[in-house]
Amino acid sequence: DIQMTQSPSSLSASVGDRVTITCRASQSISSDLNWYQQKPGKAPKYLIYAASTLLSGVPSRFSGSGSGTDFTLTISSLQPEDFATYYCQQSYTTPWTFGQGTKVEIK
Amino acid sequence: EVQLEQSGAEVKKPGESLRISCQGSGYSFTSDFINWVRQMPGGGLEWMGRIDPSDSYTNYSPSFQGHVSMSVDKSISTAYLQWSSLQASDTAIYYCARQQVVNHYYYMDVWGKGTSVTVSS
Repeated sequence: DIQMTQSPSSLSASVGDRVTITCRASQSISSDLNWYQQKPGKAPKYLIYAASTLLSGVPSRFSGSGSGTDFTLTISSLQPEDFATYYCQQSYTTPWTFGQGTKVEIK
Repeated sequence: EVQLEQSGAEVKKPGESLRISCQGSGYSFTSDFINWVRQMPGGGLEWMGRIDPSDSYTNYSPSFQGHVSMSVDKSISTAYLQWSSLQASDTAIYYCARQQVVNHYYYMDVWGKGTSVTVSS
């Protein structure tokens, strides 16, 4: 299985901050990398596919980059509704695998 | 509106069987795979596998192969996840999610609200 490792596991930030989350794959996954957001007690919500393509309705303050083994999710100006846990997921090959999650908390 | 409606919370004893459901609406149910994702208490997301509603082709994660089974009833646009003998370690929230493919890129775009399964003696 392809292992996905996110860093950091958690972070504290303030509204308006720029936040970057890193996701590393144990082998090259080309650009087959998705990002999801999950709020407490809710189902995950898609954000980005193909490493950098924002899905419909996702605010433009979210962006993704990377290819191969190293990827990033950036929130350019953190908003109150962005406090959540973020997961990367590889769709290069099954079994699809997720990172362990990065919890973004209020500072 | 595209939706996946999941069945309600379950409380079971070890060794019991269980089937939970995921009903699609607002789209052609047989056009897109349905994935199942587990989230254990306080834990992250784990992909269990997927099923093609058009022909019931399944693709299980090795971590779950042999312990769960996936099926569909096309006539009622419903996918199922089933256990024949539950264990305490099956306690989790289970999500179904629709798979989308765009230019050979796969992602899960619509998620059900989740079904909580508690297994306790």
